[in-house]
Amino acid sequence: GAVVSQHPSWVICKSGTSVKIECRSLDFQATTMFWYRQFPKQSLMLMATSNEGSKATYEQGVEKDKFLINHASLTLSTLTVTSAHPEDSSFYICSAREGTLRGGYTFGSGTRLTVV
Amino acid sequence: DAKTTQPPSMDCAEGRAANLPCNHSTISGNEYVYWYRQIHSQGPQYIIHGLKNNETNEMASLIITEDRKSSTLILPHATLRDTAVYYCIVDTGTASKLTFGTGTRLQVTL
Repeated sequence: GAVVSQHPSWVICKSGTSVKIECRSLDFQATTMFWYRQFPKQSLMLMATSNEGSKATYEQGVEKDKFLINHASLTLSTLTVTSAHPEDSSFYICSAREGTLRGGYTFGSGTRLTVV
Repeated sequence: DAKTTQPPSMDCAEGRAANLPCNHSTISGNEYVYWYRQIHSQGPQYIIHGLKNNETNEMASLIITEDRKSSTLILPHATLRDTAVYYCIVDTGTASKLTFGTGTRLQVTL
């Protein structure tokens, strides 16, 4: 089945630094990928839709200059958290869907970001 | 996207069937019902989806009412590893964004 690889699985960074999270579709091409954020004991909140070869579409309230998304190829999307602060500490998850059939979306294993 | 309503939590004894309900009374004709689950600190996992007919796969069965306003996910023989948050989502399945509700936290006990 479709596999989405997300890296790193966890990262600790200092306030003010930037962190890049990678999301790869291993055995399929994804023109669209999605980035979610999840705080403890809460549901997943969609941050943005990543479109290959074009600008990402951000959800209301998500700062596009803080959460930089790049989808340079059909198998790779990256999320960069710039000038991270402790309130950015969260679980970040990407997803993609294979093909045009109405199958399910595949999710990465998530990245636990802790900003100290 | 149509909204869904799920009970916040359920318990199930290991080996018994777990029946997780979902209400989606405003579902549109072209929207599918998807079920995902999220085990603690992992990404969500696709379980099953359906449009009108009941569906079954190696993980679960999906029963959709005739009016499509509600559905039930059935795990026929729950195990401890099925303890997770289960999300019911309605979506057209055309690479549109998935919107997650609060889900049902299923606790499988000995």
